[in-house]
Amino acid sequence: NAGVTQTPKFRVLKTGQSMTLLCAQDMNHEYMYWYRQDPGMGLRLIHYSVGEGTTAKGEVPDGYNVSRLKKQNFLLGLESAAPSQTSVYFCASSYHLGTQYFGPGTRLTVL
Amino acid sequence: GESVGLHLPTLSVQEGDNSIINCAYSNSASDYFIWYKQESGKGPQFIIDIRSNMDKRQGQRVTVLLNKTVKHLSLQIAATQPGDSAVYFCAEMLNTGANSKLTFGKGITLSVRP
Repeated sequence: NAGVTQTPKFRVLKTGQSMTLLCAQDMNHEYMYWYRQDPGMGLRLIHYSVGEGTTAKGEVPDGYNVSRLKKQNFLLGLESAAPSQTSVYFCASSYHLGTQYFGPGTRLTVL
Repeated sequence: GESVGLHLPTLSVQEGDNSIINCAYSNSASDYFIWYKQESGKGPQFIIDIRSNMDKRQGQRVTVLLNKTVKHLSLQIAATQPGDSAVYFCAEMLNTGANSKLTFGKGITLSVRP
């Protein structure tokens, strides 16, 4: 099993550009999550999904959208990137409420 | 508001010594706790978890202790090795159904001296 994978690993955007981060998991997990990690801030939840076709807002959802069209995939979109969205983004998944398994992260820089 | 915090931002230990990483949580109703390890450039990795109906749980070289009276969680690493150098996060969860979420602490850096 590959576990949780994320693409791309790195990306540089200009302010106002859009992009989509892809998360995929092969563990048949119901729950999937998107976090951002900033120095001194820990992990903050952006959006999450408790099942295919469902999404919900987390702690810091503004400026992001998500979609869960397939159980194994969870997409995070930035419609108009801002420098404040420079961060490392982690996707995670879990079979039930509890232990979450994380991907390797995407390092995004917005100029 | 509720928060999960760590007492110290960094911890330096000698290789072979035992390490103790502490975490304070403020939500007395939290019923599930996890410790994660994050190496540089990688995602957080599950280490060990504990439910609120337990006060101790042991894994391979790691032990988690939960003191609900003072809302304190600790991770003990026996015979610390250079490969243990990483940032460690505690996380708590209050089970409120399908929308339950983990709340993470800010992390503490463990540095192992050779």
